[in-house]
Amino acid sequence: KAGVTQTPRYLIKTRGQQVTLSCSPISGHRSVSWYQQTPGQGLQFLFEYFSETQRNKGNFPGRFSGRQFSNSRSEMNVSTLELGDSALYLCASSPEQTGVGQAFFGQGTRLTVV
Amino acid sequence: GQQVMQIPQYQHVQEGEDFTTYCNSSTTLSNIQWYKQRPGGHPVFLIQLVKSGEVKKQKRLTFQFGEAKKNSSLHITATQTTDVGTYFCAGGQGGKLIFGQGTELSVKP
Repeated sequence: KAGVTQTPRYLIKTRGQQVTLSCSPISGHRSVSWYQQTPGQGLQFLFEYFSETQRNKGNFPGRFSGRQFSNSRSEMNVSTLELGDSALYLCASSPEQTGVGQAFFGQGTRLTVV
Repeated sequence: GQQVMQIPQYQHVQEGEDFTTYCNSSTTLSNIQWYKQRPGGHPVFLIQLVKSGEVKKQKRLTFQFGEAKKNSSLHITATQTTDVGTYFCAGGQGGKLIFGQGTELSVKP
């Protein structure tokens, strides 16, 4: 069974630009959640999607948004990038609701904003 | 909002010594999960605890969930160099996982 796939693995963007990250969950998993990981802040919850609906959201500004498609693949978008958005973005998939059972993480997308 | 605090932030041990990391939540948790992240890697699930006072063992690792379901600990007996990495606790609560800051473990051979 293929694991969680995130693309791209690395990305360099300029301040003010926008970026879209992609996450393909494990086949059959309906929940996809996104996290931002930085050395100083650890793993911060961004949002969770389940059956194409955003069910939970963390404390991030509206520049961070996402969506989930009917095949459970998810995208995360960050607009008007700031230097502080540089981080490792991880997505995780779960068979059911995030937080109920094991979450399977992808390798992450390393975003650098210059 | 809900917070999960984890201590210590760093722990350096000699191979063969024991290691413990502690996790405390500001609210009662549905469950507590533990993950390990190797340097340059992604978090990998270790275990989930659900019941009050639950204790689970995986070889040299012992996990505990407090009676009030607000705290948890991970204890590693006789550390090995393969134990190196960052250990995270994560509280499961209504559709999200709230992670602790993690404890970075280094093991000197």
